[in-house]
Amino acid sequence: NAGVMQNPRHLVRRRGQEARLRCSPVKGHSHVYWYRQLPEEGLKFMVYLQKENIIDESGMPKERFSAEFPKEGPSILRIQQVVRGDSAAYFCASSPRLAGGENEQFFGPGTRLTVL
Amino acid sequence: AQKVTQAQTEISVVEKEDVTLDCVYETRDTTYYLFWYKQPPSGELVFLIRRNSFDEQNEISGRYSWNFQKSTSSFNFTITASQVVDSAVYFCALSGSNDYKLSFGAGTTVTVRA
Repeated sequence: NAGVMQNPRHLVRRRGQEARLRCSPVKGHSHVYWYRQLPEEGLKFMVYLQKENIIDESGMPKERFSAEFPKEGPSILRIQQVVRGDSAAYFCASSPRLAGGENEQFFGPGTRLTVL
Repeated sequence: AQKVTQAQTEISVVEKEDVTLDCVYETRDTTYYLFWYKQPPSGELVFLIRRNSFDEQNEISGRYSWNFQKSTSSFNFTITASQVVDSAVYFCALSGSNDYKLSFGAGTTVTVRA
């Protein structure tokens, strides 16, 4: 079975452009979580989505960032008008049920965004 | 709120030495889960272990061992007879029993020299 897939693995954007990061969860998983890893830091929770619903976006910056998990297709993390401070690794995780406790999150390989 | 502290930023050892990574956590939950992840130079996150707060038995898996001490809120990780392939960033993480958010420490970079 394929694990969590993220693409692209590396993304370079110039300031002001848009970045779209895709995450295909493990087949059958309907819960998706996005985390951001800034340079020299640990991962920080951004958003939790179920199919067609944003459940918790408490970790998302208020502006320029959005996320979706449509009924069909991958989850998308979208960053509009990127700035240099958005340069980071973005990790997606998925779980078959709500994660927590014994329910594990499975992480993807991450997308490394570089803003020039 | 959950908090994880990894006080060691970087550790450098020579191959075959043992290395211990410290992890101290804070939580108000009585039930919680602790994790260790490895992030090799290739960048992906590799799951190593999950322990729940009711299981204080130490665990050994090959050259890896974990020491969970609830009294000191610590969950330390030891690599015995380190190898160059152990070079990576290691993260300790914490979640509450019903909390899907993982709280990560800042990570410890381990460099094993041949």
